[in-house]
Amino acid sequence: EAQVTQNPRYLITVTGKKLTVTCSQNMNHEYMSWYRQDPGLGLRQIYYSMNVEVTDKGDVPEGYKVSRKEKRNFPLILESPSPNQTSLYFCASKRGNNQPQHFGDGTRLSIL
Amino acid sequence: GQQVMQIPQYQHVQEGEDFTTYCNSSTTLSNIQWYKQRPGGHPVFLIQLVKSGEVKKQKRLTFQFGEAKKNSSLHITATQTTDVGTYFCAGQERSGSRLTFGEGTQLTVNP
Repeated sequence: EAQVTQNPRYLITVTGKKLTVTCSQNMNHEYMSWYRQDPGLGLRQIYYSMNVEVTDKGDVPEGYKVSRKEKRNFPLILESPSPNQTSLYFCASKRGNNQPQHFGDGTRLSIL
Repeated sequence: GQQVMQIPQYQHVQEGEDFTTYCNSSTTLSNIQWYKQRPGGHPVFLIQLVKSGEVKKQKRLTFQFGEAKKNSSLHITATQTTDVGTYFCAGQERSGSRLTFGEGTQLTVNP
C-alpha cells in the first residue's frame, strides 16, 4: 500500500531534549516536505526536499533541521525543542513538482 | 512573499444546505490545489486547477479557478454529514515554487 509513515504519532517531552520525528515514503517520490499545523494558521511548511541531499527552508524553519540521505526518508530534527514548537506535524511527499501531496497521519508533539 | 487567504474560517450548516469556501492569493498562481482534512485525520488531495477560469466538478463539489488566477472557490451542493472537515486551498506561484496553504475552512454539518 502506497503510504507516508511518520513516527512517533504522539510525543510528550521536555524543553531542550533533542528529538527526531521520522518520515518514510514507499512511492519513490522525489519531493518531500514537513509542515506544522496550528489552529487558525493552516499548514505552514517547515522544510522541503526536492531530491536526495537537496533541501531548502520553508516558511518556518527556525528551530528545525532536516536531512535527506535516502530518497525514502526525510527525518525532522528538533535539536533543542521549546514549548512554541508544540504542534501537529505532517510529513508529505509528491511524485513531481506540480503533483498532489500525499500526507502522513501526523505527529502530535507536546513540549513542556 | 506569497500569501494565500481563505474565508470563512468556520462554517456551520444544516444538512442539505450549500457551502462555499473562498481562496485568495496575493500573487498570480500557476495552479491551485484543494485538500480535505477529516477531524483527526490528515489532508487528502481533492483536485488541482491549472487553467484560467477552469471549473471542475466532483459529484456535489464544484471547484473554480478565477480568470486572473488569483482566486478560487469550492462549492458543495446539499451538504451531507460526510462533508464535515477542514478544506484547504494551496497555491503555487510558479512551476517549481513552494506550495502555500490557506488557513482552511472548518465545516460542520448539523444532521
